Amino acid sequence: DVKVTQSSRYLVKRTGEKVFLECVQDMDHENMFWYRQDPGLGLRLIYFSYDVKMKEKGDIPEGYSVSREKKERFSLILESASTNQTSMYLCASSFFNGFYEQYFGPGTRLTVT
Amino acid sequence: ELKVEQNPLFLSMQEGKNYTIYCNYSTTSDRLYWYRQDPGKSLESLFVLLSNGAVKQEGRLMASLDTKARLSTLHITAAVHDLSATYFCAVDMNNFGNEKLTFGTGTRLTIIP
Repeated sequence: DVKVTQSSRYLVKRTGEKVFLECVQDMDHENMFWYRQDPGLGLRLIYFSYDVKMKEKGDIPEGYSVSREKKERFSLILESASTNQTSMYLCASSFFNGFYEQYFGPGTRLTVT
Repeated sequence: ELKVEQNPLFLSMQEGKNYTIYCNYSTTSDRLYWYRQDPGKSLESLFVLLSNGAVKQEGRLMASLDTKARLSTLHITAAVHDLSATYFCAVDMNNFGNEKLTFGTGTRLTIIP
């Protein structure tokens, strides 16, 4: 079974803090993704990575950066957290098996006060 | 730009009834994914549909794909309470090297006793 883990289920940070969200997958998947999910807005892609050290912007990259130094780990960084970044953050991974089914982690609910 | 629309967005139905959730998408693709999300939890893969006319069933849920109409349906038969969840469809661009999925906004299904 594919396992995608995220470093925290719940996180509370103050405005202006630097925040790191970590995601690890154990199935050697090439592709990893960060989404945020807000009520009424569905899933919005922040960044994704298709290989180590490679990254591409998604639909809403502003205020975020990412790092992928090892294949199994994809980090999302909020350089200076703001209250409008309060959200549920979901990490996912995939590989090409004739299709691109994504496997999701449990999510991190981040509150910025 | 690929757009994916689901309807309805909200659905309340009585136990024992049948209903269908619709997923329309805007570009040629024959790869479509259905996910389930329980409240406060992450997304869990339900079905992967990979060709025109594909049909998959698990328990009281059946998904189908009509690539010519760019339409997938998720049919619920004789609903029971533990099917209450939010259901998402997602589509990929059907070409190797484009790893992203585009998600619909989700259908929140509530089953009433």
